[in-house]
Amino acid sequence: GAGVSQSPRYKVAKRGQDVALRCDPISGHVSLFWYQQALGQGPEFLTYFQNEAQLDKSGLPSDRFFAERPEGSVSTLKIQRTQQEDSAVYLCASSLTGGLRQETQYFGPGTRLLVL
Amino acid sequence: TQLLEQSPQFLSIQEGENLTVYCNSSSVFSSLQWYRQEPGEGPVLLVTVVTGGEVKKLKRLTFQFGDARKDSSLHITAAQPGDTGLYLCAGSRHITGGGNKLTFGTGTQLKVEL
Repeated sequence: GAGVSQSPRYKVAKRGQDVALRCDPISGHVSLFWYQQALGQGPEFLTYFQNEAQLDKSGLPSDRFFAERPEGSVSTLKIQRTQQEDSAVYLCASSLTGGLRQETQYFGPGTRLLVL
Repeated sequence: TQLLEQSPQFLSIQEGENLTVYCNSSSVFSSLQWYRQEPGEGPVLLVTVVTGGEVKKLKRLTFQFGDARKDSSLHITAAQPGDTGLYLCAGSRHITGGGNKLTFGTGTQLKVEL
């Protein structure tokens, strides 16, 4: 089937606005990850879901960042009161179970967020 | 904070040349992965290495995992323009409760010119 999809692909927000980024993982994938990637850098882990349970949110930069996956499939990353330093590409990835150390994570194309 | 340092950060070479990218860390990982990322797309997995000292070959690409499972290298033979992209190493660590999260390296931007 289809790969991981993300929407919107591009988002321009004024400083102080709230934004919501959506991730549709591969159907049937248990694990879902969010990463933040600055230009020319490697992605940095934000948070991890196993089904609807958020097992790790240690990478969220501040309490302005909130993620949910209420039915264990689609996930939304919400950023409140956006700041210029939030400008980055936000990547979503999913994997089949998440239990194996060598399991493949499949990445979406990302949402490029620009905060003015 | 990125725990995995990659070198070089940028590399511009001519078609047909060989190159090596290094990925170094002070931490031990249960496995290490290499990805390639093209503009406007997410990273795509190239290989996973699990055992210290392991060597894997994928056509013109050779991957090696250090004996202590802290560092790795990627060697490309006879580079082609299609090899152009951002190369990322990523170490895997177990998450309490299940799952594994990736710690990515700082990235190596490779450009191969005709």
